[in-house]
Amino acid sequence: AQSVTQLDSQVPVFEEAPVELRCNYSSSVSVYLFWYVQYPNQGLQLLLKYLSGSTLVKGINGFEAEFNKSQTSFHLRKPSVHISDTAEYFCAVSDRKAQKLVFGQGTRLTINP
Amino acid sequence: SAVISQKPSRDICQRGTSLTIQCQVDSQVTMMFWYRQQPGQSLTLIATANQGSEATYESGFVIDKFPISRPNLTFSTLTVSNMSPEDSSIYLCSVERGSGGNTIYFGEGSWLTVV
Repeated sequence: AQSVTQLDSQVPVFEEAPVELRCNYSSSVSVYLFWYVQYPNQGLQLLLKYLSGSTLVKGINGFEAEFNKSQTSFHLRKPSVHISDTAEYFCAVSDRKAQKLVFGQGTRLTINP
Repeated sequence: SAVISQKPSRDICQRGTSLTIQCQVDSQVTMMFWYRQQPGQSLTLIATANQGSEATYESGFVIDKFPISRPNLTFSTLTVSNMSPEDSSIYLCSVERGSGGNTIYFGEGSWLTVV
């Protein structure tokens, strides 16, 4: 079975500042890793995913994440945030056989002007 | 990606009633998934629905409370039965896409409030 821990429940940052949202996972098998974003009053949108290959993956809206197998982490980063990035961000994993996702508890990113 | 439409998008329901949520996908998919997101919480998988077979429920979810239909490869329904305020949640339909079926995409969700 897999589990996901998002280390910060809330992250406040100022506009144009860099941000990192932390995600650690646990699994006894190889996994796929995902970040989803949920804007206020909306559903989930896929930000980016790691399936295999390069450990640095780029997603939409200027976000990127780095897969670190030794530290079992998949932290999300953006060099300069905007007010429009205010949202809830979810890290998720699935094993490579089933397509079921296990989600972290989410991190609420708040951008202050 | 995938275009996933859910109905209703929002509803206010009376305690003790049942509501059926519909999920329509823009192309055929083998597996469809139903998730629940309780207020302020993360997402939890309710069940996996394959066409032509019974849905597979996760621990803590039962067919009598959350019956699911999957009549074809583009459509599924989830019924929330005998609702109580604890069932107030967002219910999300999702499908797997990508080569090897390795990515999950979500609909906009159905926001239910039980009063």
